[in-house]
Amino acid sequence: TQLLEQSPQFLSIQEGENLTVYCNSSSVFSSLQWYRQEPGEGPVLLVTVVTGGEVKKLKRLTFQFGDARKDSSLHITAAQPGDTGLYLCAGLSGGSYIPTFGRGTSLIVHP
Amino acid sequence: KAGVTQTPRYLIKTRGQQVTLSCSPISGHRSVSWYQQTPGQGLQFLFEYFSETQRNKGNFPGRFSGRQFSNSRSEMNVSTLELGDSALYLCASSVGDSQETQYFGPGTRLLVL
Repeated sequence: TQLLEQSPQFLSIQEGENLTVYCNSSSVFSSLQWYRQEPGEGPVLLVTVVTGGEVKKLKRLTFQFGDARKDSSLHITAAQPGDTGLYLCAGLSGGSYIPTFGRGTSLIVHP
Repeated sequence: KAGVTQTPRYLIKTRGQQVTLSCSPISGHRSVSWYQQTPGQGLQFLFEYFSETQRNKGNFPGRFSGRQFSNSRSEMNVSTLELGDSALYLCASSVGDSQETQYFGPGTRLLVL
């Protein structure tokens, strides 16, 4: 059972375009994390959101946690080739510190 | 501070063989978690070790096992390999307290023929 559904699975865009990646679940999470994984590397944590409705910004990346803490989105403004990678969301629930990962969104930004 | 290292980076085995993967955590980190990553299933949690004890376990068969040494280095073993075990195996280390950041290694790419 995949608790976290990410969409879209694949995204191929041109440099300068905006995009949004979604992470949805029927379960409530105490916090939600976003990672980026580049080819040949392990995932790197970008952000953790913990409060329903929370919005966090990291340069051109904006992360939002849904009010009900069941969903999240990642918006990238003016995408650059360096943003290319696999974006993973991961949810933490209850007292567990072991995240449950979505399958990821593979993003390619063409120059 | 050096990051998480994993050896070997690439491995080719045949069905029925066994394999041992190694992970060296960031200095001072006492928790090591292992994950299997495949295109179809994504990142799935295998197990977590803390101070040489398995603290959490995912839903994988008993062919998958691990251990942690007193210096926090960890090994993962897969016995009687199956084709479906082909995957990227990632380890992640953390200090060991709850809700803190996990730092992933680059992974070991295992191909089972």
